[in-house]
Amino acid sequence: EAGVTQFPSHSVIEKGQTVTLRCDPISGHDNLYWYRRVMGKEIKFLLHFVKESKQDESGMPNNRFLAERTGGTYSTLKVQPAELEDSGVYFCASSQDGGFGQFFGPGTRLTVL
Amino acid sequence: AQSVTQLDSQVPVFEEAPVELRCNYSSSVSVYLFWYVQYPNQGLQLLLKYLSGSTLVESINGFEAEFNKSQTSFHLRKPSVHISDTAEYFCAVSPIYNFNKFYFGSGTKLNVKP
Repeated sequence: EAGVTQFPSHSVIEKGQTVTLRCDPISGHDNLYWYRRVMGKEIKFLLHFVKESKQDESGMPNNRFLAERTGGTYSTLKVQPAELEDSGVYFCASSQDGGFGQFFGPGTRLTVL
Repeated sequence: AQSVTQLDSQVPVFEEAPVELRCNYSSSVSVYLFWYVQYPNQGLQLLLKYLSGSTLVESINGFEAEFNKSQTSFHLRKPSVHISDTAEYFCAVSPIYNFNKFYFGSGTKLNVKP
C-alpha cells in the first residue's frame, strides 16, 4: 500500500511568486490534514478535510493560503503571493477513521527568497 | 488552548545507553497523547499513543512513555538505544473533543553515537 506522497519535495521561489503544493493521501482515506513547520519550531495544524469538505481551517495563517480537495482525493495548497515567513516544511497527513491514526507524508520544504 | 513543550532540542547519547525525551503539555481539557518519530528524509511515523487505560504505553521497538496527569507529562524512554534510533521525535496532544487537531512540540533530535 502506497503511503502519503507529496510533491514537490523541495521548492525555492521568490517573494511574491505563487507556489502550489500537492498531497496524495493513502487511497480510501477520507480525512486529509495539512501542517506546517517553520524554522525548526513546532509543527502547526493548518486545516482538515473530510472528503472534499473543509472540516476545520482554523490554523490557516491568512488569506494568501488556499487549500482545495476537489473530488475528495488529492489536495493542493496554494500560497499566493508567497512571503518570506512562509518558508518551512509543509506536511500532509491522512487517516481513515479520524485522528487516532494519522499517516504523514515526507513533507515539502518551501524556501521563499 | 493546548500547547506542548519539549524541553530538549537535541539529545546526544551513546549506543546502548538509556535515554529519556521529555514532553510536557498544557491543556484546559482532557487530551490524547502521542509520540511521532521522523527518520531522515521520511514522513512522521506514529511511535505510540495514550488514549485511556494504563498510563504506561509501549512501542514495538522498545520505547515506552508514561502519562502523568498530575505533572502533565508524557516522557519517552528507552533503556538501551541503537544507532538506528537516531531521528527527530515529536510529542503531540489532541483534545478529546476534537481528536483531528494535533498540537505538536518543537521536536527533539536524538543523536545516537557509537
